[in-house]
Amino acid sequence: DSGVTQTPKHLITATGQRVTLRCSPRSGDLSVYWYQQSLDQGLQFLIQYYNGEERAKGNILERFSAQQFPDLHSELNLSSLELGDSALYFCASSDIRGNTGELFFGEGSRLTVL
Amino acid sequence: AQSVAQPEDQVNVAEGNPLTVKCTYSVSGNPYLFWYVQYPNRGLQFLLKYITGDNLVKGSYGFEAEFNKSQTSFHLKKPSALVSDSALYFCAVRDMIGSGNTGKLIFGQGTTLQVKP
Repeated sequence: DSGVTQTPKHLITATGQRVTLRCSPRSGDLSVYWYQQSLDQGLQFLIQYYNGEERAKGNILERFSAQQFPDLHSELNLSSLELGDSALYFCASSDIRGNTGELFFGEGSRLTVL
Repeated sequence: AQSVAQPEDQVNVAEGNPLTVKCTYSVSGNPYLFWYVQYPNRGLQFLLKYITGDNLVKGSYGFEAEFNKSQTSFHLKKPSALVSDSALYFCAVRDMIGSGNTGKLIFGQGTTLQVKP
């Protein structure tokens, strides 16, 4: 158990809809990262938050957005969903103050868009 | 840009034999390198990392990795494979450019390890 909690584990929805994925980081970790894992693209970094502020942005579509709340949990919002958005979405957390640390991953949220 | 490459989509090995999963990296400066394992329908689990120091790094579940600066490689190894080692393995490098050390990792495409009895 990594200590990172993601909900929901599975989500099935239709094209055009909007979903929200939730992540609770490990206790004490200030940094949250979102990754997308798909068969053809591998593990792609989407976005990072550190203590409530956006820290780094990767290949995140404009239809996607994220935020980190004062209690440090994070949400990834996916809107106007397309078939190609079907993927496994991972959240990870770390204590980057140590400067060398690994990321700790949740079990992921599997999104299926029909 | 920082990147890692895993040249093999799949590695097959017999149980009890040594295994190697290959990774090469391209970075500016000193690399921070990581290996993760992903079992089916699970998240990524950290195996080991190289930051500095000894070129041979020992990690979880009997795995180790050898950092080779001249060959820009960080291959994952295990002396004796188990069927339960069958999984998807990812090499990763810490992104050290752009807005500075954000801590995010850049992953390779992954290598599926199949260990047969």
